[in-house]
Amino acid sequence: QVQLVQSGAEVKKPGASVKVSCKASGYTFTSYEIYWVRQASGQGLEWVGWMSPDSGNSGFAQNFQDRGTMTRDTSISTAYMELSHLRSEDTAVYYCARNFLGLGVWGNGTTVTVSS
Amino acid sequence: QSALTQPASVSGSPGQSITISCTGTSSDVGAYNYVSWYQRHPDTAPKVIIYDVTKRPSGVSNRFSGSKSGNTASLTISGLQAEDEADYYCCSYAGNKILVFGGGTKLTVL
Repeated sequence: QVQLVQSGAEVKKPGASVKVSCKASGYTFTSYEIYWVRQASGQGLEWVGWMSPDSGNSGFAQNFQDRGTMTRDTSISTAYMELSHLRSEDTAVYYCARNFLGLGVWGNGTTVTVSS
Repeated sequence: QSALTQPASVSGSPGQSITISCTGTSSDVGAYNYVSWYQRHPDTAPKVIIYDVTKRPSGVSNRFSGSKSGNTASLTISGLQAEDEADYYCCSYAGNKILVFGGGTKLTVL
């Protein structure tokens, strides 16, 4: 079945970077865009950015434009979202999701904790 | 991009119907027929229940329905069941691959 499996939890210090992976299975990885969404504790969902696994094109929400990088490795059907210059407000659960029939399939989530 | 506006909470008794509104602008909800709704139970990933304003994914109960008028989209849940108690989020396409979410609505089944 279609599945997105994300990397494990991360603990980072302020100013550091984090790279979260999202491995796709059960479908052709390059056929659908991957979107990233985060949710901080007690807060709502927040769109982070998107990537085309086919072209490699990507974009970030305004809050992340200077700090975010999206890459992919099509040989292993994996998308990556890297966020640099982390601050405490970046502490959240980060999800990848396949953009088809809405955000139709979601990853299991990766908890990123930013703390000194 | 500003968040879409949803009520913080709604409630209803089993068997009743409830509607959750989602107000955006002429640049997002009003501009595109790409509004989706997500149900999120605690400590689980969100699940799409409505996409493209009115469409239901396979496997989602027909008790869930969506609509849109102008800059406001709505999610209606009929025949409320205890398992419907969850957080609900609307989401709209806003052009240039941008998505914008609502702040979320906590549904309590009394």
